[in-house]
Amino acid sequence: GQSLEQPSEVTAVEGAIVQINCTYQTSGFYGLSWYQQHDGGAPTFLSYNGLDGLEETGRFSSFLSRSDSYGYLLLQELQMKDSASYFCAVFFSGGYNKLIFGAGTRLAVHP
Amino acid sequence: DVKVTQSSRYLVKRTGEKVFLECVQDMDHENMFWYRQDPGLGLRLIYFSYDVKMKEKGDIPEGYSVSREKKERFSLILESASTNQTSMYLCASSPRGGAINQPQHFGDGTRLSIL
Repeated sequence: GQSLEQPSEVTAVEGAIVQINCTYQTSGFYGLSWYQQHDGGAPTFLSYNGLDGLEETGRFSSFLSRSDSYGYLLLQELQMKDSASYFCAVFFSGGYNKLIFGAGTRLAVHP
Repeated sequence: DVKVTQSSRYLVKRTGEKVFLECVQDMDHENMFWYRQDPGLGLRLIYFSYDVKMKEKGDIPEGYSVSREKKERFSLILESASTNQTSMYLCASSPRGGAINQPQHFGDGTRLSIL
C-alpha cells in the first residue's frame, strides 16, 4: 500500500528554523511535493522534488532522498504568517498527476 | 492565476438526501480531483477525472459518484448522504500536458454537514 508519515505538530519561534520530515512507502514513487494550508484556506503548492537533493525557493527549501524514502521541508526566518498546516504528497507512476497526501503537520509560530 | 471555484462554502443536508457539490476551473485543465479532508487524516482522494466524461476511482469512492460533462466542471454526488460523510470537500485541477508533477490548484472547499 501507500503511506506517508509526518509529525502532527511542530512549534517554533519567530526567526527560527524548522524542519518538517516526511517518510513514505509507495510503489512506483515518482516525486515528492509540499503544500501549505492556512486555517480556512485552500492548500497551495510550495515545492516539488523529483531528484535527490535540495530545492530552494526563498525562505523555504525541500529535500529528497529516494534511497531513504525520506524528505523534509525546511522553513527559515520563520514569520507568524508561516503558522499553517504543511502536507507532503507523493506522485507515483500510476500517472494522471495523482497525489497521495500525508496527514499534515500543524506548525505554530510564536513571538 | 488559476481559479478553482466551489459552488458552496458551507452546506447542511439531511441523511438520505442526494447531494451535489460543484466545482469549476477557468484554466482549461484536463485533470480534476475531489478530496475529502478530515482532522488527522489529511486529504484523501475520492475520484478524479483526466478528461471529459472520463473518471477514475480514488482511495475512498464508496458512497460517491462524479460527473464531468464539460471540461471546466466536475461534480461530486453523494447518492444518499450519511452522517459519516460530514467533512470538508476540496476540489482541485491540474494540467495534463508535460510532466506528471504539475501542481494541483485547489478551491476553498465546501464544509458539508449531514444531519
